[in-house]
Amino acid sequence: GAVVSQHPSWVICKSGTSVKIECRSLDFQATTMFWYRQFPKQSLMLMATSNEGSKATYEQGVEKDKFLINHASLTLSTLTVTSAHPEDSSFYICSAASGRALDEQYFGPGTRLTVT
Amino acid sequence: AQSVTQPDIHITVSEGASLELRCNYSYGATPYLFWYVQSPGQGLQLLLKYFSGDTLVQGIKGFEAEFKRSQSSFNLRKPSVHWSDAAEYFCAVSGGGADGLTFGKGTHLIIQP
Repeated sequence: GAVVSQHPSWVICKSGTSVKIECRSLDFQATTMFWYRQFPKQSLMLMATSNEGSKATYEQGVEKDKFLINHASLTLSTLTVTSAHPEDSSFYICSAASGRALDEQYFGPGTRLTVT
Repeated sequence: AQSVTQPDIHITVSEGASLELRCNYSYGATPYLFWYVQSPGQGLQLLLKYFSGDTLVQGIKGFEAEFKRSQSSFNLRKPSVHWSDAAEYFCAVSGGGADGLTFGKGTHLIIQP
């Protein structure tokens, strides 16, 4: 149980375009979802926390107008990178936590974004 | 602000030897502590976690970790490593509840035959 999927697993887009990444909890309802960013050979950095039906809370230094997060249902959160630039190229990972066990997060496999 | 320090960027261990990965944290209250493993092309897998109670925590794949409040440490150990343990290991801390995780920079484990 507790499976989280992400789609797509990798995406290449041109500079200036937008790209949407989906994060789904497959077998549980996720009241809270988190988005992380991981640069090559580096650690994961928390970008934002989203609760179903409310606005996401962004970490300091993360541009909310650039990284749009929507958590419209208890099983789906999306991250849209708007007007992508090469410096946005990274590995984006989501995690999900259920209301019963918010102390543990279940991670998706990640999405590799390359902006050319 | 909370932080996690993993002082060893790379560690090389011979197969069958024991392993200890270090983790120090900074957190103002009682921390929730985690160890994750990340293999190439795969997502993060939870090895073990500490919330409260017994300070020696048993995890999957033969791993254990010991919480030492006086040293602000949560070191990961394994008595005998296998070649399949080669991966990136991350220590993380949170305040629990709906808090996101703060990760250390990771330790890259290399297993020598």
